[in-house]
Amino acid sequence: ETGVTQSPTHLIKTRGQQVTLRCSSQSGHNTVSWYQQALGQGPQFIFQYYREEENGRGNFPPRFSGLQFPNYSSELNVNALELDDSALYLCASSLGGAGGDYGYTFGSGTRLTVV
Amino acid sequence: AQSVTQLDSHVSVSEGTPVLLRCNYSSSYSPSLFWYVQHPNKGLQLLLKYTSAATLVKGINGFEAEFKKSETSFHLTKPSAHMSDAAEYFCVVSESGGSNYKLTFGKGTLLTVNP
Repeated sequence: ETGVTQSPTHLIKTRGQQVTLRCSSQSGHNTVSWYQQALGQGPQFIFQYYREEENGRGNFPPRFSGLQFPNYSSELNVNALELDDSALYLCASSLGGAGGDYGYTFGSGTRLTVV
Repeated sequence: AQSVTQLDSHVSVSEGTPVLLRCNYSSSYSPSLFWYVQHPNKGLQLLLKYTSAATLVKGINGFEAEFKKSETSFHLTKPSAHMSDAAEYFCVVSESGGSNYKLTFGKGTLLTVNP
């Protein structure tokens, strides 16, 4: 059973650029959620994808967008990067749209630095 | 709306002494509650979860937590701290049965274990 893998592990981008982060979900999981963890803070929910459709969104602007593919892997895209987007981005997979009863498996994250 | 309050931002204990990390929650639906641990530069690892079964939940590495609905609390305990327990701990709530399946994290408690 493979866990959740995220790529890249680290990334440096310039303000105004666009970035794509990738996530492979745990085998058997069909739901992917993305979280942003700023330095010294708890992770904050960005959005969730269930069977290739967005299934909930947190308080993030539209320049944060995502995709889920038929194999349940996922991408997080951020356009027009701002300095405050610098954070650890975590992907979590789960089984079923809820995940609350089944538990979430987190990846190790992508550390994004915007300069 | 759901929310989590971790009552201590930093807890310091000596190796071999008990650990208590405090968490209070607020939820409109029947909550699922979790404790996650994050070691430096690592992703999140699930310690334990409560999903409306037994109120005393046992997790990995000797940790346990008790769900107290009357007090809206879900405190994490361990009888004897080990040096390897030093990390950031997050209390997390997810609302089962509602349309919102996101995880809401507390701000975290940094546990320091002194030799």
